[in-house]
Amino acid sequence: SFVLAQPPSASVAPGQTATITCGGNNIGRKSVHWYQQKPGQAPVLVVYDDRDRPSGIPERFSGSNSGNTATLTISRVEAGDEADYYCQVWESSSDHVVFGGGTQLSVL
Amino acid sequence: QVQLQESGPGLVKPSETLSLTCIVSGGSISYYWSWIRQPPGKGLEWIGYIHYTGSTKYNPSLKSRVTMSVDTSKNQFSLKLSSVTAADTALYYCARSDWKMGLDVWGLGTTVTVSS
Repeated sequence: SFVLAQPPSASVAPGQTATITCGGNNIGRKSVHWYQQKPGQAPVLVVYDDRDRPSGIPERFSGSNSGNTATLTISRVEAGDEADYYCQVWESSSDHVVFGGGTQLSVL
Repeated sequence: QVQLQESGPGLVKPSETLSLTCIVSGGSISYYWSWIRQPPGKGLEWIGYIHYTGSTKYNPSLKSRVTMSVDTSKNQFSLKLSSVTAADTALYYCARSDWKMGLDVWGLGTTVTVSS
């Protein structure tokens, strides 16, 4: 089965740029989606299809995907961005949905 | 605006069957619909999905115990997980699913505890 690898944690200072990676074999050939989950809340889609943003998601959230790594970038990080972030793909060969293990982002 | 609401018993005894329903309001049920769970303090686990036509796909790790169904007349879909153990204790979410658009609408989730 397809495996998505995320670092368990990341930290960033307010106003700086946070980068969260998601590794997978030839992930660049797949559509990658990113979710933000704050404590006690359901996940929220922040980036879909590698780099597109749902309506209402700030432009500070962006994504890229190439080779074996997809990346979520959060610019001008705010305290409210502190959350768990999950990457996800729909694995075409098995038709299964796969989540990464999640990255806990701390805003110092 | 589409909204999802999960419902079902919050407490299930070991070896019994967990049953949850997700009601779709404010929009069409003509999509793929996933169930996802999150054990306390852990990450997201995809359980499976059902298409409004009734076709399904399940996580291989749960496949032998999972059954999903859809009732288009009631705009709802359901999850059954049999032979539950404490390891099935989790927050269960339903979500609208698309391979290109992601899981773009989520319910608030419902907590299920497996305990005697």
